[in-house]
Amino acid sequence: DAGVIQSPRHEVTEMGQEVTLRCKPISGHDYLFWYRQTMMRGLELLIYFNNNVPIDDSGMPEDRFSAKMPNASFSTLKIQPSEPRDSAVYFCAQGKSGNTIYFGEGSWLTVV
Amino acid sequence: KQEVTQIPAALSVPEGENLVLNCSFTDSAIYNLQWFRQDPGKGLTSLLLIQSSQREQTSGRLNASLDKSSGRSTLYIAASQPGDSATYLCAVLSNSGYALNFGKGTSLLVTP
Repeated sequence: DAGVIQSPRHEVTEMGQEVTLRCKPISGHDYLFWYRQTMMRGLELLIYFNNNVPIDDSGMPEDRFSAKMPNASFSTLKIQPSEPRDSAVYFCAQGKSGNTIYFGEGSWLTVV
Repeated sequence: KQEVTQIPAALSVPEGENLVLNCSFTDSAIYNLQWFRQDPGKGLTSLLLIQSSQREQTSGRLNASLDKSSGRSTLYIAASQPGDSATYLCAVLSNSGYALNFGKGTSLLVTP
């Protein structure tokens, strides 16, 4: 099992561009989480899915952010249009209810 | 909303010392508490998970305790080594939710 795989690992983009972050989860885990990490705010939950269904998206900062999980093998987080304040590390994580959560290595986003 | 606080924010100790990292949370209605390690440029790795019915968990040189009534947990690291240098994050899963709430972490430096 290769663990949670995220891509791209690093992205630098210009303000106003669309950014798509991808996550390939571990099979057999029914919860998928998207977190954002910054120095100022630490780790913040953006959205999570249960069995591919979005359950709580109250952490998504604005309508510019959207997330999908079309199947159990793939999830995306999209920012359109991107702004410099979106610069952060975005983590995808997975787990089973009440158990250990497994994190990907993160996608480091810089918006200039 | 569950608030998780970690003290100190940063800690530097000489190799060989025993040390304690602290975590406090505001809502004692928790399902479990987890300690994670994060190395620079990497994702989070789960170290220990304590269920709400447990008082402590041990793994090698690490021991985590939980006092739900006072809203506190500690991570004890025995005989620290330079390889222990990393950021340690505490996270709480509340009874009312399915996603972890994280503290901002303690950045640990163990000097040779």
